[in-house]
Parts: sequence; structure tokens; C-alpha cells
Amino acid sequence: GAVVSQHPSWVICKSGTSVKIECRSLDFQATTMFWYRQFPKQSLMLMATSNEGSKATYEQGVEKDKFLINHASLTLSTLTVTSAHPEDSSFYICSAPTGLAGAYNEQFFGPGTRLTVL
Amino acid sequence: EDQVTQSPEALRLQEGESSSLNCSYTVSGLRGLFWYRQDPGKGPEFLFTLYSAGEEKEKERLKATLTKKESFLHITAPKPEDSATYLCAVQTTSGTYKYIFGTGTRLKVLA
Repeated sequence: GAVVSQHPSWVICKSGTSVKIECRSLDFQATTMFWYRQFPKQSLMLMATSNEGSKATYEQGVEKDKFLINHASLTLSTLTVTSAHPEDSSFYICSAPTGLAGAYNEQFFGPGTRLTVL
Repeated sequence: EDQVTQSPEALRLQEGESSSLNCSYTVSGLRGLFWYRQDPGKGPEFLFTLYSAGEEKEKERLKATLTKKESFLHITAPKPEDSATYLCAVQTTSGTYKYIFGTGTRLKVLA
């Protein structure tokens, strides 16, 4: 299957600082990537759709100025949590579908990033 | 409104005790239904894709089936290493390929 990596796997930061999380598709190109957030014992909550070469699409209730997304290339999307606060502590996971837009496609997920804001 | 529901929420089985997990969906149009396995602290691992009613897929002790209203993940003679959360997601014909996830079933297989 296709491989998606995330970096870092965990990060601890102080309140008020910004944190950048990278998501890379290692063996395929991804014009679209998705960013999810997951709380303990809960399912994945879609935050935004990252589009290569254009603006990200955010889900209702997600602050676009808080969670900055940049899809700089066909293999890299980044999520920056700006001015992080303890309530932003969570498990962040990215995914990428392997095929063309509009087609049936499995999404392959990264290993996740555990963010802890002190 | 498109909705995906999984049951049971949690399931404990003895090793070798077969069972099924359910994923019920109500969507305007189904493009595909996906099953994933998630271990604690890790991202979901892809298992199966099902596209149309009547379709079945198998992998080792797992078998996924699909009807017009639900999907089942059958686990035959499970082993402790099958313990994980199993997630189902649907993709609709709405023009995007976002997933709608179910809440998951936490499976624990006891030795």
C-alpha cells in the first residue's frame, strides 16, 4: 500500500507558541490531503482538506487562522497550529488518497502526531 | 444528513470466538465504504474497500461484506493480535472524496 509519513510523531510546546506538523506522501503524488483530529476513544474528526496549489477547505467550526494549512508540493502538506493553547492538545492525523479527484480512492493515513500544549 | 453508525461500541471476545462488527450507513449516494484498523497511538491502517451491494473482500481472518444499508466485518477465530479499534468510513457521490467516519468498534481478544 501507499505510505504516508508525518513529522514529528510527538511534540510538547508551551502555550502561545506555534507548532508545524508535516505530512508527506512517500511513494505517490497527492493533489489532495486531509487533516484530522482525534480525541481519546473517539473517532477521527475531519478538520480540513488540503489542496495542492490552492487554499485549503476547512470544515465548519474549524478556525482557519488557528490551523494554517499549506500544500506546497504534490508530496507535502503542513499544518501549523498557531498560538497553541492546552485545548489544542490532541492527536493529529493526515491522510492522502492515491488517485485522481473524483475517483474511488482509499485514503492512506500517516502515523499521527501527538501534540501536548503546556 | 449523511450518517455512519458502528456497533457495538466495544466487544470482548475469547481467542477463537468468531463474531461480526456492524457499520450502518444512511447516505444520499454511496461511492465506497472503507474499513480500517487502528492501534492505540497510531494512524488507521487500510483493510478493505467495498463499492457495491453484494461485494465481499477477505484478508486472513477478516471478511467484509456490503449491503445497501450496512456492512459487516466478520472476524473468524480471532487472535489477541486482532485487538484494535475497527473504523468504517463512507465516501459519498457528493463530488468530494471526504470520508464520513463511524465512531468505531473497540475489539479486545482475550487469550
